[in-house]
Amino acid sequence: EPEVTQTPSHQVTQMGQEVILRCVPISNHLYFYWYRQILGQKVEFLVSFYNNEISEKSEIFDDQFSVERPDGSNFTLKIRSTKLEDSAMYFCASSVEAGSFYSNQPQHFGDGTRLSIL
Amino acid sequence: AQTVTQSQPEMSVQEAETVTLSCTYDTSENNYYLFWYKQPPSRQMILVIRQEAYKQQNATENRFSVNFQKAAKSFSLKISDSQLGDTAMYFCAFMKAGNNRKLIWGLGTSLAVNP
Repeated sequence: EPEVTQTPSHQVTQMGQEVILRCVPISNHLYFYWYRQILGQKVEFLVSFYNNEISEKSEIFDDQFSVERPDGSNFTLKIRSTKLEDSAMYFCASSVEAGSFYSNQPQHFGDGTRLSIL
Repeated sequence: AQTVTQSQPEMSVQEAETVTLSCTYDTSENNYYLFWYKQPPSRQMILVIRQEAYKQQNATENRFSVNFQKAAKSFSLKISDSQLGDTAMYFCAFMKAGNNRKLIWGLGTSLAVNP
């Protein structure tokens, strides 16, 4: 069964450094997402991406965050200048098969990247 | 704004027994979807079951079923014949119908299945 893959599984970065989290969504999916989960807190929506542009972003997704689909397979989340409070598990997800009825299709998640800011 | 509440931070059940995890939500929307996701220690978020709000019939997937009470805004998950592999965090999530496809999550319930 196709899977969403995320790399790396764990990223340790110094505060103030840039970090790029990588995701390969399921190949025929049209919608892509990033969520984060700070330890002990709720999973929070960051951003959704469709048709090569951001379709929605949360208040968390400020100017230090950006997403990109640089080629036909990768979907990246960049944090420009990391802060201690960016430490979290970051999940990528994808949904909606091309050509399908999309309303009720669930999101498929990767294993997550644990980001630790020192 | 939508919110999802899971009031049971931790639960445990004996193997082969039945357990029910509770979830309530708040929304003014009429069309939406509800999901239960499972996150085992391996971390991957796995879809367990989903429910369309316009369907009165409760969704069922093998040993997993839901009790969807739209008027009460309640969406509980019942796991029958619990197995050791059901040990995981369980998250309830809400999604509006339409192009806005973000998931709104509950805080999760940690379920331990004991031998």
